Amino acid sequence: KQEVTQIPAALSVPEGENLVLNCSFTDSAIYNLQWFRQDPGKGLTSLLLIQSSQREQTSGRLNASLDKSSGRSTLYIAASQPGDSATYLCAVNDQTGANNLFFGTGTRLTVIP
Amino acid sequence: DAGVIQSPRHEVTEMGQEVTLRCKPISGHNSLFWYRQTMMRGLELLIYFNNNVPIDDSGMPEDRFSAKMPNASFSTLKIQPSEPRDSAVYFCASRNSIYNEQFFGPGTRLTVL
Repeated sequence: KQEVTQIPAALSVPEGENLVLNCSFTDSAIYNLQWFRQDPGKGLTSLLLIQSSQREQTSGRLNASLDKSSGRSTLYIAASQPGDSATYLCAVNDQTGANNLFFGTGTRLTVIP
Repeated sequence: DAGVIQSPRHEVTEMGQEVTLRCKPISGHNSLFWYRQTMMRGLELLIYFNNNVPIDDSGMPEDRFSAKMPNASFSTLKIQPSEPRDSAVYFCASRNSIYNEQFFGPGTRLTVL
């Protein structure tokens, strides 16, 4: 069974700093990988989707990379803002039917003004 | 588009009562997923439907849980009878079949006393 790990579990940074969140998965046979953001008491917001054939995706200040062979993905946030404070979840879509998302436990990010 | 719609947003009930959670997926999405999120276990897939047909219900914890999707725009998750350990946030998600990207609803926070 696919296992997804996110390190660190929590991270605090001063406003303006660039930061990297890490995600690793045990089975490299994935269909795609999705990064989500979850605010306290709220649902999940999809940030970026990387197909298995892609190496990276960018949206504004966010850049996600994928190294399928090593089972790793990173989410880079440039020039962090207090509004970026949230829990960031990585989810891997397996290749069997492209239907089951395996979630990591998330990284709780706090950006200090 | 209004996104995935879930109701109710909050539900408080007593042990033994029947609970019904509702979901309206994004129009045009042909896959629908029910997840449960707890502090202990994170996000877990309960069941998913493809073209209104249940495909994988292996995540449904017990026979007390049942899910239906009578048409492309509506699904229910029912718990009967409910127990305190069912307390969690239940999310519904629907998927764009072209990019296989899942979009989540705001969730239903269930508390069983």
